[in-house]
Amino acid sequence: EVQLVESGGGLVQPGGSLRLSCAASGLTFSSYVINWVRQAPGKGLEWVSALSGSGVGTYYADSVKGRFTISRDNSKNTLYLQMNTLRAEDTAVYYCAKSTPRALGVIFWGQGTLVTVSS
Amino acid sequence: NFMLTQPHSVSESPGKTVTISCTRSSGSVVSSYVQWYQQRPGSSPTTVIYEDNQRPSGVPDRFSGSIDSSSNSASLTISGLKTEDEADYYCQSYDSTFWVFGGGTKLTVL
Repeated sequence: EVQLVESGGGLVQPGGSLRLSCAASGLTFSSYVINWVRQAPGKGLEWVSALSGSGVGTYYADSVKGRFTISRDNSKNTLYLQMNTLRAEDTAVYYCAKSTPRALGVIFWGQGTLVTVSS
Repeated sequence: NFMLTQPHSVSESPGKTVTISCTRSSGSVVSSYVQWYQQRPGSSPTTVIYEDNQRPSGVPDRFSGSIDSSSNSASLTISGLKTEDEADYYCQSYDSTFWVFGGGTKLTVL
Protein backbone atom coordinates (compact mmCIF):
# COMPACT_ATOMS: atom_id res chain seq x y z
CA GLU A 1 0.00 0.00 0.00
CA VAL A 2 1.37 3.38 -1.03
CA GLN A 3 1.81 5.92 1.75
CA LEU A 4 3.02 9.51 1.58
CA VAL A 5 3.42 11.17 4.97
CA GLU A 6 4.19 14.87 5.12
CA SER A 7 5.76 16.61 8.09
CA GLY A 8 7.51 19.84 9.00
CA GLY A 9 4.61 22.28 8.79
CA GLY A 10 3.96 24.90 11.43
CA LEU A 11 3.81 28.59 12.23
CA VAL A 12 6.57 30.80 10.84
CA GLN A 13 7.02 34.55 10.63
CA PRO A 14 7.05 36.39 7.28
CA GLY A 15 10.54 36.22 5.80
CA GLY A 16 11.30 33.02 7.67
CA SER A 17 12.14 29.53 6.45
CA LEU A 18 10.72 26.05 6.83
CA ARG A 19 11.58 22.63 5.44
CA LEU A 20 8.85 20.13 4.64
CA SER A 21 9.43 16.39 4.33
CA CYS A 22 7.45 13.66 2.62
CA ALA A 23 8.23 10.09 3.64
CA ALA A 24 7.17 7.51 1.08
CA SER A 25 6.53 3.79 1.42
CA GLY A 26 4.94 1.03 -0.62
CA LEU A 27 6.45 2.16 -3.93
CA THR A 28 9.74 2.17 -5.80
CA PHE A 29 10.37 5.75 -4.80
CA SER A 30 13.17 6.54 -7.24
CA SER A 31 10.98 5.59 -10.20
CA TYR A 32 8.48 8.39 -9.81
CA VAL A 33 8.18 12.12 -10.26
CA ILE A 34 6.89 13.53 -6.96
CA ASN A 35 5.19 16.89 -6.56
CA TRP A 36 4.19 19.44 -3.98
CA VAL A 37 0.68 20.85 -4.38
CA ARG A 38 -0.76 23.39 -1.96
CA GLN A 39 -4.19 24.61 -0.93
CA ALA A 40 -4.72 27.92 0.84
CA PRO A 41 -7.52 27.94 3.44
CA GLY A 42 -10.89 27.80 1.68
CA LYS A 43 -9.25 27.97 -1.76
CA GLY A 44 -8.46 25.64 -4.63
CA LEU A 45 -5.43 23.54 -5.49
CA GLU A 46 -2.17 25.08 -6.73
CA TRP A 47 0.78 23.12 -8.12
CA VAL A 48 4.03 24.22 -6.47
CA SER A 49 6.92 22.07 -7.63
CA ALA A 50 7.97 18.73 -9.11
CA LEU A 51 11.12 16.62 -9.09
CA SER A 52 12.10 13.76 -11.35
CA GLY A 53 12.90 10.35 -9.94
CA SER A 54 16.63 10.82 -10.46
CA GLY A 55 16.52 14.22 -8.80
CA VAL A 56 17.89 15.97 -11.87
CA GLY A 57 14.76 17.58 -13.33
CA THR A 58 13.26 20.28 -11.10
CA TYR A 59 10.21 22.39 -11.88
CA TYR A 60 8.61 25.31 -10.03
CA ALA A 61 5.53 27.49 -10.21
CA ASP A 62 6.33 31.14 -10.89
CA SER A 63 4.91 32.05 -7.48
CA VAL A 64 7.67 30.17 -5.63
CA LYS A 65 10.58 30.20 -8.09
CA GLY A 66 13.74 31.48 -6.45
CA ARG A 67 12.34 31.01 -2.92
CA PHE A 68 11.55 27.29 -2.74
CA THR A 69 13.87 24.35 -3.46
CA ILE A 70 12.70 20.79 -4.02
CA SER A 71 15.02 17.86 -3.40
CA ARG A 72 14.91 14.16 -2.61
CA ASP A 73 16.95 11.46 -0.91
CA ASN A 74 16.13 8.21 -2.66
CA SER A 75 18.10 6.21 -0.08
CA LYS A 76 15.61 7.44 2.54
CA ASN A 77 12.54 7.44 0.28
CA THR A 78 12.00 11.06 1.24
CA LEU A 79 11.11 14.24 -0.67
CA TYR A 80 11.82 17.70 0.71
CA LEU A 81 10.68 21.25 0.13
CA GLN A 82 12.92 23.99 1.48
CA MET A 83 10.86 27.17 1.72
CA ASN A 84 12.66 30.48 2.21
CA THR A 85 11.52 34.11 2.34
CA LEU A 86 8.04 32.97 3.26
CA ARG A 87 5.08 35.28 2.67
CA ALA A 88 1.56 35.37 4.09
CA GLU A 89 0.26 34.11 0.75
CA ASP A 90 2.30 30.91 1.20
CA THR A 91 -0.07 29.91 4.02
CA ALA A 92 -1.62 26.63 2.90
CA VAL A 93 -1.84 22.90 3.37
CA TYR A 94 1.02 21.38 1.40
CA TYR A 95 0.38 17.99 -0.16
CA CYS A 96 2.98 15.55 -1.39
CA ALA A 97 1.69 13.90 -4.56
CA LYS A 98 2.91 10.98 -6.62
CA SER A 99 2.67 11.51 -10.36
CA THR A 100 0.96 9.32 -12.91
CA PRO A 101 3.38 7.12 -14.92
CA ARG A 102 3.73 9.84 -17.57
CA ALA A 103 4.07 12.51 -14.85
CA LEU A 104 1.18 14.52 -16.26
CA GLY A 105 -0.98 14.56 -13.14
CA VAL A 106 -1.35 13.09 -9.66
CA ILE A 107 -2.23 9.47 -9.04
CA PHE A 108 -1.84 9.46 -5.24
CA TRP A 109 -1.94 12.17 -2.58
CA GLY A 110 -0.57 12.45 0.92
CA GLN A 111 -2.57 13.82 3.85
CA GLY A 112 -0.90 17.21 3.85
CA THR A 113 0.88 19.46 6.35
CA LEU A 114 -0.25 22.96 7.28
CA VAL A 115 2.09 25.90 6.89
CA THR A 116 1.01 29.18 8.46
CA VAL A 117 2.98 32.36 7.74
CA SER A 118 2.02 35.04 10.21
CA SER A 119 3.54 37.45 12.67
CA ASN B 1 -0.29 30.33 -19.70
CA PHE B 2 -3.82 28.99 -19.98
CA MET B 3 -6.69 28.73 -17.51
CA LEU B 4 -9.17 25.98 -16.77
CA THR B 5 -12.67 27.23 -15.97
CA GLN B 6 -15.17 25.14 -14.03
CA PRO B 7 -18.69 25.96 -12.83
CA HIS B 8 -18.63 27.09 -9.22
CA SER B 9 -21.29 24.59 -8.16
CA VAL B 10 -23.67 21.94 -9.43
CA SER B 11 -26.38 19.96 -7.69
CA GLU B 12 -28.34 16.86 -8.49
CA SER B 13 -30.42 14.19 -6.80
CA PRO B 14 -29.26 10.74 -5.70
CA GLY B 15 -29.41 8.20 -8.49
CA LYS B 16 -29.19 10.83 -11.23
CA THR B 17 -26.30 11.71 -13.54
CA VAL B 18 -24.28 14.91 -13.36
CA THR B 19 -21.63 16.32 -15.67
CA ILE B 20 -18.97 18.84 -14.60
CA SER B 21 -17.23 20.82 -17.33
CA CYS B 22 -13.68 22.18 -17.51
CA THR B 23 -13.01 24.65 -20.32
CA ARG B 24 -9.48 25.48 -21.49
CA SER B 25 -8.93 29.18 -22.23
CA SER B 26 -6.19 28.87 -24.85
CA GLY B 27 -4.44 26.08 -26.64
CA SER B 28 -6.17 22.83 -27.46
CA VAL B 29 -7.68 20.62 -24.77
CA VAL B 30 -6.71 17.57 -26.83
CA SER B 31 -3.03 18.53 -26.73
CA SER B 32 -2.55 17.59 -23.08
CA TYR B 33 -4.26 15.07 -20.85
CA VAL B 34 -6.80 16.16 -18.24
CA GLN B 35 -7.05 14.74 -14.73
CA TRP B 36 -9.93 14.99 -12.25
CA TYR B 37 -9.65 15.02 -8.47
CA GLN B 38 -12.27 14.61 -5.76
CA GLN B 39 -11.91 16.30 -2.39
CA ARG B 40 -14.40 15.54 0.32
CA PRO B 41 -14.74 18.04 3.18
CA GLY B 42 -11.82 17.85 5.56
CA SER B 43 -9.92 15.31 3.46
CA SER B 44 -7.04 15.35 1.04
CA PRO B 45 -7.80 15.04 -2.67
CA THR B 46 -8.07 11.69 -4.44
CA THR B 47 -7.72 10.99 -8.14
CA VAL B 48 -10.86 9.80 -9.92
CA ILE B 49 -9.78 10.21 -13.57
CA TYR B 50 -6.34 10.55 -15.17
CA GLU B 51 -5.24 10.89 -18.80
CA ASP B 52 -8.68 12.11 -19.91
CA ASN B 53 -10.62 8.93 -19.21
CA GLN B 54 -8.61 6.44 -17.16
CA ARG B 55 -9.82 5.36 -13.74
CA PRO B 56 -7.33 4.47 -11.00
CA SER B 57 -7.94 1.11 -9.37
CA GLY B 58 -10.69 1.31 -6.81
CA VAL B 59 -12.60 4.13 -8.51
CA PRO B 60 -16.08 2.90 -9.51
CA ASP B 61 -17.10 2.95 -13.16
CA ARG B 62 -19.80 5.47 -12.27
CA PHE B 63 -17.04 8.02 -12.85
CA SER B 64 -16.05 8.74 -16.44
CA GLY B 65 -14.07 11.40 -18.26
CA SER B 66 -14.26 12.77 -21.78
CA ILE B 67 -12.85 15.46 -24.04
CA ASP B 68 -14.75 17.67 -26.51
CA SER B 69 -12.54 19.47 -28.99
CA SER B 70 -15.43 21.54 -30.35
CA SER B 71 -15.94 23.28 -27.02
CA ASN B 72 -12.29 22.93 -26.01
CA SER B 73 -13.39 21.35 -22.78
CA ALA B 74 -13.14 18.25 -20.66
CA SER B 75 -15.99 16.73 -18.69
CA LEU B 76 -16.38 14.53 -15.65
CA THR B 77 -19.60 12.52 -15.57
CA ILE B 78 -20.85 10.78 -12.45
CA SER B 79 -23.77 8.44 -12.88
CA GLY B 80 -25.96 6.83 -10.22
CA LEU B 81 -25.15 9.65 -7.81
CA LYS B 82 -24.64 8.76 -4.17
CA THR B 83 -24.58 11.08 -1.19
CA GLU B 84 -20.91 10.13 -0.70
CA ASP B 85 -20.12 11.78 -4.07
CA GLU B 86 -20.79 15.18 -2.49
CA ALA B 87 -17.41 16.89 -2.72
CA ASP B 88 -15.31 19.46 -4.53
CA TYR B 89 -14.01 18.35 -7.93
CA TYR B 90 -10.96 19.83 -9.64
CA CYS B 91 -9.72 19.38 -13.18
CA GLN B 92 -6.02 19.69 -13.99
CA SER B 93 -3.86 19.79 -17.10
CA TYR B 94 -0.36 20.92 -17.99
CA ASP B 95 1.73 22.97 -20.38
CA SER B 96 5.43 22.15 -20.94
CA THR B 97 6.87 22.48 -17.44
CA PHE B 98 3.93 23.46 -15.26
CA TRP B 99 0.56 22.21 -14.16
CA VAL B 100 -2.72 24.15 -14.11
CA PHE B 101 -5.73 23.42 -11.90
CA GLY B 102 -9.29 24.52 -12.44
CA GLY B 103 -10.93 26.53 -9.68
CA GLY B 104 -13.04 23.61 -8.50
CA THR B 105 -16.72 22.69 -8.58
CA LYS B 106 -18.77 21.99 -5.49
CA LEU B 107 -21.10 19.06 -6.11
CA THR B 108 -24.14 18.88 -3.88
CA VAL B 109 -26.17 15.68 -3.86
CA LEU B 110 -29.59 16.38 -2.42
